[in-house]
Amino acid sequence: DAGITQSPRHKVTETGTPVTLRCHQTENHRYMYWYRQDPGHGLRLIHYSYGVKDTDKGEVSDGYSVSRSKTEDFLLTLESATSSQTSVYFCAISLTSGSTDTQYFGPGTRLTVL
Amino acid sequence: SQQGEEDPQALSIQEGENATMNCSYKTSINNLQWYRQNSGRGLVHLILIRSNEREKHSGRLRVTLDTSKKSSSLLITASRAADTASYFCATPISSGSARQLTFGSGTQLTVLP
Repeated sequence: DAGITQSPRHKVTETGTPVTLRCHQTENHRYMYWYRQDPGHGLRLIHYSYGVKDTDKGEVSDGYSVSRSKTEDFLLTLESATSSQTSVYFCAISLTSGSTDTQYFGPGTRLTVL
Repeated sequence: SQQGEEDPQALSIQEGENATMNCSYKTSINNLQWYRQNSGRGLVHLILIRSNEREKHSGRLRVTLDTSKKSSSLLITASRAADTASYFCATPISSGSARQLTFGSGTQLTVLP
């Protein structure tokens, strides 16, 4: 699992509340990613990071923000959760070998917004 | 938008049979990857094939790549119940400040004992 942990693993919250998901890695990887996975949509990229304090938007970034104040932690925040953000969230790191990048995923966080 | 699309969406076979999944993509790539996801778990990298390769093997996995048709196939031979999972193809895209992969929506494989 490339030393990737996610917390919490499960969360139930109410619409309008803020939620922060944490991704922690122990191997000093530069690139980190947040995805959401929904039935029929596969994995969709929310935000990614290419270094401390360096982040950029992915395909479905609306309603989400991220922060990376140290290499090992990449936080995903839902400022005001909505029911459409009910999903399974995966964090990933990227390993580069030459010109190819392979991603390794955390175990996921199942978020339910009521 | 998704670059790769898997076909079929779902596949059910008997143990011992071979399973074939296909992936089509839209733009030029320098590699294509396959991942597996067991129920309730994260994705696991299976195999990578480069654009200058036509076929690659890893254990019971055989991947082909046809860049002229922009398609790839994943063959699992002599399937086992433990192969039951979702399988995703992934292709790199050049966007923004980091290397990204885009994933298809997956093929759900069920291997019946």
